[in-house]
Amino acid sequence: QVQLQESGPGLVKPSETLSLTCSVSGHSLTGPYYWGWIRQPPGKGLEWIGNFHHSGNTNYSPSLKNRVTISRDLSKNTFSLKLSSVTAADTAVYYCAREPATGYWGQGIQVTVSS
Amino acid sequence: EIVLTQSPATLSVSPGDRATLSCRASQSVRSNLGWFQQKPGQAPRLLIYGASTRATGIPARFSGSGSGTEFTLTISSLQAEDFAVYYCQQYNNWPPWTFGEGTKVEIK
Repeated sequence: QVQLQESGPGLVKPSETLSLTCSVSGHSLTGPYYWGWIRQPPGKGLEWIGNFHHSGNTNYSPSLKNRVTISRDLSKNTFSLKLSSVTAADTAVYYCAREPATGYWGQGIQVTVSS
Repeated sequence: EIVLTQSPATLSVSPGDRATLSCRASQSVRSNLGWFQQKPGQAPRLLIYGASTRATGIPARFSGSGSGTEFTLTISSLQAEDFAVYYCQQYNNWPPWTFGEGTKVEIK
């Protein structure tokens, strides 16, 4: 059974870097899939942030690519999201997921950007 | 970037009725489209992938159709637990793998 779990600070100050980790159990990150991040601002729809392929390639949304880094730690079977220079517009629930179009999503973590 | 336009934004349906949701892509995504259901406070749940293949454990009352730029999600007989927001997502052209804005299915 594949399970994903997001973790990280729930509150980040403006202009700082948001850092989240997704812990994966039941499947190795070296397997033939994409692993990605999606977010959902309060009361709004889903926004795709980016992902990485098991081969190591990363892909980012053009609207966020200047601020986003996705990396992985194979020894811990985790992958991470870093979003720099955050503003209130980055307040959202952040999900990690196996992609594309799978049933394997984390439960989501609320991140608020506020001083 | 491919834009997915979902319609209607809100669909008011009575339990037991049929619901038809539309997702239109700004350019062809072939059959690389999925449908998700989301309830308040929950992560999205995959219903359909490959435009028409039901995900594991999804009831047969959910069906998907279409290819290219026009897609439909049909719920044949709405149950109480089906009232939620539904999103389509394309994974043919990227980045990004875009989502539609969602259709809220509410009780009439």
